[in-house]
Amino acid sequence: AQSVTQLDSQVPVFEEAPVELRCNYSSSVSVYLFWYVQYPNQGLQLLLKYLSGSTLVKGINGFEAEFNKSQTSFHLRKPSVHISDTAEYFCAVTTAARGGTSYGKLTFGQGTILTVHP
Amino acid sequence: SAVISQKPSRDICQRGTSLTIQCQVDSQVTMMFWYRQQPGQSLTLIATANQGSEATYESGFVIDKFPISRPNLTFSTLTVSNMSPEDSSIYLCSGGRPVRRSSSGYADTQYFGPGTRLTVL
Repeated sequence: AQSVTQLDSQVPVFEEAPVELRCNYSSSVSVYLFWYVQYPNQGLQLLLKYLSGSTLVKGINGFEAEFNKSQTSFHLRKPSVHISDTAEYFCAVTTAARGGTSYGKLTFGQGTILTVHP
Repeated sequence: SAVISQKPSRDICQRGTSLTIQCQVDSQVTMMFWYRQQPGQSLTLIATANQGSEATYESGFVIDKFPISRPNLTFSTLTVSNMSPEDSSIYLCSGGRPVRRSSSGYADTQYFGPGTRLTVL
């Protein structure tokens, strides 16, 4: 079984400041990791993903995340946020093991509400 | 990314009635899933929609309450049956699409529809 913990339920930040949203996961097998963003009254949009290769992945809207296997973390960062980044962010994990009963199923963290103030 | 559409986008229903939500995905999608997002909560997987056969339900979800069909590769429906106010949630459909990894092989990446916001009175 796998689980995801987002360490901060809410993160307030001022415009143009840097931000880090923290995510830790637990799994007994290799995983793929994702960050999704949900703007108010909308569905989920994929921000970025780690499937393999370089541990630093870049996504849309200037976001990036670093996969740290030893710390089982996948923190999301942006060097300078905008008002339009205000949204809820979800970290998610799925098993990389094809053929297993859990393959393809996403387990989500509880979400982090990022509020950017002017 | 994959193109996924859902309808209705929202509905207000009376207790005891049923609502069927439709999800259409583009042809690149292989796996399809249904999730529920209760107010102020994260997403919880309801079931995997299997083409031409019964869906695979997660613990706590049953077919009688959430019947799911997937008659072909690109279309699925979720019915919320005998609704109560506790069923008020956002229901989201997702599609898994193979994405090439930086190394060899492919991995499924899920893309989500816009969701259906259901309110049960």
